[in-house]
Amino acid sequence: GNSVTQMEGPVTLSEEAFLTINCTYTATGYPSLFWYVQYPGEGLQLLLKATKADDKESNKGFEATYRKETTSFHLEKGSVQVSDSAVYFCALAKGAGTALIFGKGTTLSVSS
Amino acid sequence: DAGVTQSPTHLIKTRGQQVTLRCSPKSGHDTVSWYQQALGQGPQFIFQYYEEEERQRGNFPDRFSGHQFPNYSSELNVNALLLGDSALYLCASSPGWGGMNTEAFFGQGTRLTVV
Repeated sequence: GNSVTQMEGPVTLSEEAFLTINCTYTATGYPSLFWYVQYPGEGLQLLLKATKADDKESNKGFEATYRKETTSFHLEKGSVQVSDSAVYFCALAKGAGTALIFGKGTTLSVSS
Repeated sequence: DAGVTQSPTHLIKTRGQQVTLRCSPKSGHDTVSWYQQALGQGPQFIFQYYEEEERQRGNFPDRFSGHQFPNYSSELNVNALLLGDSALYLCASSPGWGGMNTEAFFGQGTRLTVV
């Protein structure tokens, strides 16, 4: 079946460090891929969305590229800030509707 | 625009009881999905409603049921509560049906604790 695997955390970084959170997926065909962020006490916010292979998406300094050959959608940021501390979820959607399949989440903690 | 609103924000129920959670979608959105997020886990898809019908369902027992009203708002009902039903329940809305390119907007969730 369809599934998402993302690196386990927590990830602890100093401010201005480089961030990578790995995400790989299992699905037939071409799912849409997403990164959502969840700040403490809040719901999920969409960070990035890619709908086809080789799409490179960016938002708020975060980037991810849809790699069909490696079934991956890794999240990167060149210089993290304390305000980036949150839980990051990789997800996919396939088929009619927008039912999302999420990974387990990666907690990022950034210290000044 | 108020976005997706859920009520209540927190709820404590006793094992065996029944609970109803409510969701109002973002303005202009007619598709509502429900997710269960256990502590330390990613959200798990429960079901999705469009045009007042359940269109997709995840791997959840029949104790979990829902409804969508003509104004697109939705309810999630859980019967015979178990301790394992304790979780954050998230509602998400999106416009239309069948489009994989549409963005789902999430509410802040209802924290259900079963004791």
